[in-house]
Amino acid sequence: QEHLVESGGDVVQPGRSLRLSCGGAGFVFMSYTFHWVRQAPGKGLEWLAVILYDGTNKAHADSVKGRFTFSRDNSKNTLYLQMDSLRTEDTAVYYCARVMVGGQGAFDIWGPGTKVIVSS
Amino acid sequence: DIQLTQSPSFLSASLGDRVTITCRASQDINNYLAWYQQKPGKAPDLLIYSASTLQSGVPSRFSGSGSGTEFTLTISSLQPEDFATYYCQQLRSYPLTFGGGTKVEIK
Repeated sequence: QEHLVESGGDVVQPGRSLRLSCGGAGFVFMSYTFHWVRQAPGKGLEWLAVILYDGTNKAHADSVKGRFTFSRDNSKNTLYLQMDSLRTEDTAVYYCARVMVGGQGAFDIWGPGTKVIVSS
Repeated sequence: DIQLTQSPSFLSASLGDRVTITCRASQDINNYLAWYQQKPGKAPDLLIYSASTLQSGVPSRFSGSGSGTEFTLTISSLQPEDFATYYCQQLRSYPLTFGGGTKVEIK
């Protein structure tokens, strides 16, 4: 069964850091491109970044530029999202998603999400 | 950035109704559009990609059409499990963007 699972969500104070992980199983992890997407409470989906198969962070949203770092370790089948200088507006559920083969970049598998609350 | 405008943002419909959701892009995205369904507390599920290709396992009552700047998602006969929020997404250029969502509720 192909799946992704995020972890690492927590309650943190503004200005602090947090690292999220996203593990994949049931498929050849190193062959795929992945994205991070978040969803603030009661709001829509916000794309954050793309991570290519080789770990290159090809693009990311302006809202997290300079604060969030995206990486992967193919030997561990894991993506990482390092979040620094957290703000209250970063409160959201964070999802990782896989790019499907032959789907013009659409996301065919999503993790269940991990919740991050930034609050003093 | 490419903006996606979904309409309506909310719709109330009955079982068996035909439902159409529109997604308009601020510039030509060819057919680089996907549709997702999201239920409360769950991750989105891919319904349609390349504007009109049904994802494997998705019921045939779902269909997508359009190209360029105007796209539609149609549910031919609404079923109980279809009450959810639907999002379009453009995959033409970075930053990728999503529409604001359409919440489909029971009338």
